[in-house]
Amino acid sequence: DTGVSQDPRHKITKRGQNVTFRCDPISEHNRLYWYRQTLGQGPEFLTYFQNEAQLEKSRLLSDRFSAERPKGSFSTLEIQRTEQGDSAMYLCASSPTAGGLLGQGFYEQYFGPGTRLTVT
Amino acid sequence: AQRVTQPEKLLSVFKGAPVELKCNYSYSGSPELFWYVQYSRQRLQLLLRHISRESIKGFTADLNKGETSFHLKKPFAQEEDSAMYYCALSNTGFQKLVFGTGTRLLVSP
Repeated sequence: DTGVSQDPRHKITKRGQNVTFRCDPISEHNRLYWYRQTLGQGPEFLTYFQNEAQLEKSRLLSDRFSAERPKGSFSTLEIQRTEQGDSAMYLCASSPTAGGLLGQGFYEQYFGPGTRLTVT
Repeated sequence: AQRVTQPEKLLSVFKGAPVELKCNYSYSGSPELFWYVQYSRQRLQLLLRHISRESIKGFTADLNKGETSFHLKKPFAQEEDSAMYYCALSNTGFQKLVFGTGTRLLVSP
């Protein structure tokens, strides 16, 4: 296990097309997070899963965005009818909820390399 | 509202000089503060967190609740410290991180 992996690493698409990204977390990490990072900004939270349950969604996640984690392992993030404003780096992170305690309940989030989306 | 502010986009210093990367936050509760680092062509990784009070790679950060700050410091910068540094805040339930806009540290020989 070499860490969180994301596929594809780069995606160029035309406006209006649908795209899907995949994230494979570290084995046995039951929390999985999606963030979006635009140029000159820090990562912004989109959503997170505890096992297969999606527990929180940011208001950044419009109706065109959907995320799934059907078996509590890998996750997919789909963007429908892409817009130029969707161009960004999409980051995935995972964390355990046991055995990785750093203090007072926080478990370190391990980040993937990201998928860079360019909408033309 | 939860917010993290890093006022400097770029900090350029010479090797051996002291470094201080500024971070201020706003949060209506007891915050958990972190520093993440991203070296060139590498993924984002945790550098240190306030609760552990550790020194990692010579870096330290003290949480000042009165000034709502969590500045990152190192007494003698090294060239290998050149990277992008993000200050981040975690909400009470640790479900997500709120990041600042980042500061690029450039250490010249």
